[in-house]
Amino acid sequence: DGGITQSPKYLFRKEGQNVTLSCEQNLNHDAMYWYRQDPGQGLRLIYYSQIVNDFQKGDIAEGYSVSREKKESFPLTVTSAQKNPTAFYLCASRGTSGRFNEQYFGPGTRLTVT
Amino acid sequence: AQKITQTQPGMFVQEKEAVTLDCTYDTSDQSYGLFWYKQPSSGEMIFLIYQGSYDEQNATEGRYSLNFQKARKSANLVISASQLGDSAMYFCAMAGGLTSYGKLTFGQGTILTVHP
Repeated sequence: DGGITQSPKYLFRKEGQNVTLSCEQNLNHDAMYWYRQDPGQGLRLIYYSQIVNDFQKGDIAEGYSVSREKKESFPLTVTSAQKNPTAFYLCASRGTSGRFNEQYFGPGTRLTVT
Repeated sequence: AQKITQTQPGMFVQEKEAVTLDCTYDTSDQSYGLFWYKQPSSGEMIFLIYQGSYDEQNATEGRYSLNFQKARKSANLVISASQLGDSAMYFCAMAGGLTSYGKLTFGQGTILTVHP
């Protein structure tokens, strides 16, 4: 089945450690996105990528980094510079054949940093 | 800059009745897309319905319809014949502009509770 996978579902880290969240898609989509969601809030864009080896900062990129070495993969690293990393992280992808195609989301990773 | 406003933090509806979730938007773009997503307690985001700014007809997808009023900049979601499984958080979102690269701006969401 085609879809987006994110692993792990729950992640716990100590403050000061970098952590990498995985996102893989087999939908053959060119565009991929990372969002952050805080409790009771909407989603905010962290980074996005329209094509392999290219990515752009979103609205809240500080303290995060990404790579896009393969079309299928768009990992997100939460660095120790991110002041409030505890949140729910959602990865999405989108086909680019149309101007405003809908985004498909993965199941998300809940990160807790103590 | 784009902005999505959902003014209803929570809504309650009786099973089998219809419910309208409000969404207003602000953008200077002439071309844009409006989306509704459902987020159950599990956290996944489920795409429900899409409306393009140049679409003359309101979008419909099964029990979901989008009441698009361009002059008022509103894009309300109507769910007909509510079911218990419709209880979830609902988000309105938009992508705008020729160079938006499909980036979505989300509202704060509305929690819908369906009572039996």
